[in-house]
Amino acid sequence: DGGITQSPKYLFRKEGQNVTLSCEQNLNHDAMYWYRQDPGQGLRLIYYSQIVNDFQKGDIAEGYSVSREKKESFPLTVTSAQKNPTAFYLCASSIGGSTNYGYTFGSGTRLTVV
Amino acid sequence: QKEVEQNSGPLSVPEGAIASLNCTYSDRGSQSFFWYRQYSGKSPELIMFIYSNGDKEDGRFTAQLNKASQYVSLLIRDSQPSDSATYLCAAGGDYGQNFVFGPGTRLSVLP
Repeated sequence: DGGITQSPKYLFRKEGQNVTLSCEQNLNHDAMYWYRQDPGQGLRLIYYSQIVNDFQKGDIAEGYSVSREKKESFPLTVTSAQKNPTAFYLCASSIGGSTNYGYTFGSGTRLTVV
Repeated sequence: QKEVEQNSGPLSVPEGAIASLNCTYSDRGSQSFFWYRQYSGKSPELIMFIYSNGDKEDGRFTAQLNKASQYVSLLIRDSQPSDSATYLCAAGGDYGQNFVFGPGTRLSVLP
């Protein structure tokens, strides 16, 4: 079945540590996105990529980094510069870079600072 | 700044009633509109999308779009306790235009 796989489901980060969240899709979608969701709040865009080897900052990119070396993969690194990383992280993809067809979401990664 | 606004709720309705969720958007260039349902701790799932003015029905769900008023709504008929969730409204567009999500409306259907 086609879909988006995010791993791990739960992740714990120590202070000052970098962690990487995985996002893989087999939908042959061109565009991929990373969102952050805090409790009781909406989705905020971190980074997005319309094509391989290219990505753009979203509204809250500080303290995060991404890569897009393969069409199927869009990993997100939460760096030590992100001072409040505890949140629910969602990866999404869309056909051809156009949001007119909607997003498909992964199941999410819940990151907690310990 | 492109915005999508929703009442945060909670919106409480009795089981079997019609739940009405509303959304307004600021960008007249938005071409497509989506309603996602998100259960607590889960990722959003697409339940309806609409591109043209008017109504679109799918089972118990009806999406309504009025581009002149920049207004989108979702009606849920015969509401069930399993419909209790947060409903996210989103506006999309052409290549290069990212989704703009509203903050979501929390719906509670009371048995």
